[in-house]
Amino acid sequence: DQQVKQNSPSLSVQEGRISILNCDYTNSMFDYFLWYKKYPAEGPTFLISISSIKDKNEDGRFTVFLNKSAKHLSLHIVPSQPGDSAVYFCAASASAGGTSYGKLTFGQGTILTVHP
Amino acid sequence: DTGVSQNPRHKITKRGQNVTFRCDPISEHNRLYWYRQTLGQGPEFLTYFQNEAQLEKSRLLSDRFSAERPKGSFSTLEIQRTEQGDSAMYLCASSSFNQPQHFGDGTRLSIL
Repeated sequence: DQQVKQNSPSLSVQEGRISILNCDYTNSMFDYFLWYKKYPAEGPTFLISISSIKDKNEDGRFTVFLNKSAKHLSLHIVPSQPGDSAVYFCAASASAGGTSYGKLTFGQGTILTVHP
Repeated sequence: DTGVSQNPRHKITKRGQNVTFRCDPISEHNRLYWYRQTLGQGPEFLTYFQNEAQLEKSRLLSDRFSAERPKGSFSTLEIQRTEQGDSAMYLCASSSFNQPQHFGDGTRLSIL
């Protein structure tokens, strides 16, 4: 049962344009959502997160949008840069033990390639 | 902040052997997580500790797997009688209260 899904295995974008990565989830208990970036031979690096009480969170070039009714979130990268080329993972967490971030359930990842 | 450290980076072993991995979290982080990642998939949760207490274990964690965090600092993950299906990247992450998890670079396990 894949509770978090990234249906696009790959995305190719021109430098300077917008990259939009999508993620869908099924578990209504999820209330925190995160995006991680992963380069080859390295562990995932935290990018940005959003709580279910918000519908948008922005950090520099990165913006995450959450549509709770559709159980859908997206990551926008503007403008895209060649250094953004990596695998992007969407992850979700259900708050437990008084903490917002518990164990993470990940999607399968999307390979982003930004061409110069 | 030296980051999460995992050793070894790569382990090659024969089927049936036991292996042990070590994770050193970021020093002030009281929560430590283990995940497993196979090719083309996202990381899957295995277990987590708050300080020295193991608070949750996934159904993925068979009886051959055991994890410890004896003094609430570093953690070890042991796999006994390894099988081909154990080949994967084993990732460790740590966090402090209400903060996102920071991941190490993982230990890649290859079973011959």
